[in-house]
Amino acid sequence: AQTVTQSQPEMSVQEAETVTLSCTYDTSESDYYLFWYKQPPSRQMILVIRQEAYKQQNATENRFSVNFQKAAKSFSLKISDSQLGDAAMYFCAYSRETSGSRLTFGEGTQLTVNP
Amino acid sequence: ETGVTQTPRHLVMGMTNKKSLKCEQHLGHNAMYWYKQSAKKPLELMFVYNFKEQTENNSVPSRFSPECPNSSHLFLHLHTLQPEDSALYLCASSQEGVAGGLAKNIQYFGAGTRLSVL
Repeated sequence: AQTVTQSQPEMSVQEAETVTLSCTYDTSESDYYLFWYKQPPSRQMILVIRQEAYKQQNATENRFSVNFQKAAKSFSLKISDSQLGDAAMYFCAYSRETSGSRLTFGEGTQLTVNP
Repeated sequence: ETGVTQTPRHLVMGMTNKKSLKCEQHLGHNAMYWYKQSAKKPLELMFVYNFKEQTENNSVPSRFSPECPNSSHLFLHLHTLQPEDSALYLCASSQEGVAGGLAKNIQYFGAGTRLSVL
């Protein structure tokens, strides 16, 4: 079975600084997708970024980028120029290529942004 | 208007009550999901519906009963719940079967229903 592990229950960053959230996963599949979702206090889970395993190039979305290391099964999220609105719970998630959108989530990392 | 709407936002119920959670998606998707989110635990997938047919039930107790009358609406009927069922219940939708493109394997979530069982 696939598992996703986020080893940092809490992280904090100063406004305008950079922070990296860690995620590791375990799978025997070669084709899959990885995601970072953000859950602010409003509770709505919002997709931050998505990575296809067959792509070597790391995904980027504005201030958000990932470091995808397929051999190490590592998928970290870097947030640059952190803003107060980035404060949220961040979840790493995995889905197999062949299982549609069925997601396996990590435990989450609570990010605090200090002014 | 958000893509996935859940009602009510908050619900308090006794163990003998019967209540229902509602989810509606306005994205034209063909798959819908129920998740349970408890404190300090990863999201747990409860049910999956594809084209209104239930395709997955992750060993959920029978006191939770899902219903999907059409591809836009999903309900979770609750009866004789236990205090440990108190949690945030999230609904999501996705478009299955899209060949390539960015839409594949992306779920869109509602804001959830915070359920407290007394």
